[in-house]
Amino acid sequence: GAVVSQHPSRVICKSGTSVKIECRSLDFQATTMFWYRQFPKKSLMLMATSNEGSKATYEQGVEKDKFLINHASLTLSTLTVTSAHPEDSSFYICSAREGREPYEQYFGPGTRLTVT
Amino acid sequence: GQNIDQPTEMTATEGAIVQINCTYQTSGFNGLFWYQQHAGEAPTFLSYNVLDGLEEKGRFSSFLSRSKGYSYLLLKELQMKDSASYLCAATDSNYQLIWGAGTKLIIKP
Repeated sequence: GAVVSQHPSRVICKSGTSVKIECRSLDFQATTMFWYRQFPKKSLMLMATSNEGSKATYEQGVEKDKFLINHASLTLSTLTVTSAHPEDSSFYICSAREGREPYEQYFGPGTRLTVT
Repeated sequence: GQNIDQPTEMTATEGAIVQINCTYQTSGFNGLFWYQQHAGEAPTFLSYNVLDGLEEKGRFSSFLSRSKGYSYLLLKELQMKDSASYLCAATDSNYQLIWGAGTKLIIKP
């Protein structure tokens, strides 16, 4: 149980375009979902936390207008990278957790974004 | 402030035992997670400790001392596939995960 899917797994886009990444909890209801990015050989960096039906909480330094997050249901959250630039190229990972202890985060497989 | 410390890199030999330490300072504490992450992949759950003591799960064991703000992950009978990064993460009073930078474990034949 506790499977999280992420789509697409890899995407290449041109500079200036927008890319949407989906994160789904397949067999549980995720009251909270998290979006991370990770540069090569670096640690996970939390970008934002989203609760179903409310606005996402962004970490300091993360532009909310550039990284649009929508958590429309208890099983789906989306991250849209708007007007992507080469420096946005990274590994984006979502995680989801239920609203009960131990509040373990279940991770999606990640999305490799390359902006050319 | 909130902080997690763990070694950046460790090297061990196939078949041996290795212990990866983690110290934490958080605003409140509700438990400690260990995750494994292979290069290019997302983290996968290894263990969760909320009470003091040792939790054993096959070749992997995790220890917690709440009074010392200290945990370790013990890997026995190391295999080449155990080469990965091991992430320590503590949950604060709001159950938010505070992540360490990860320990890259290199296994040599």
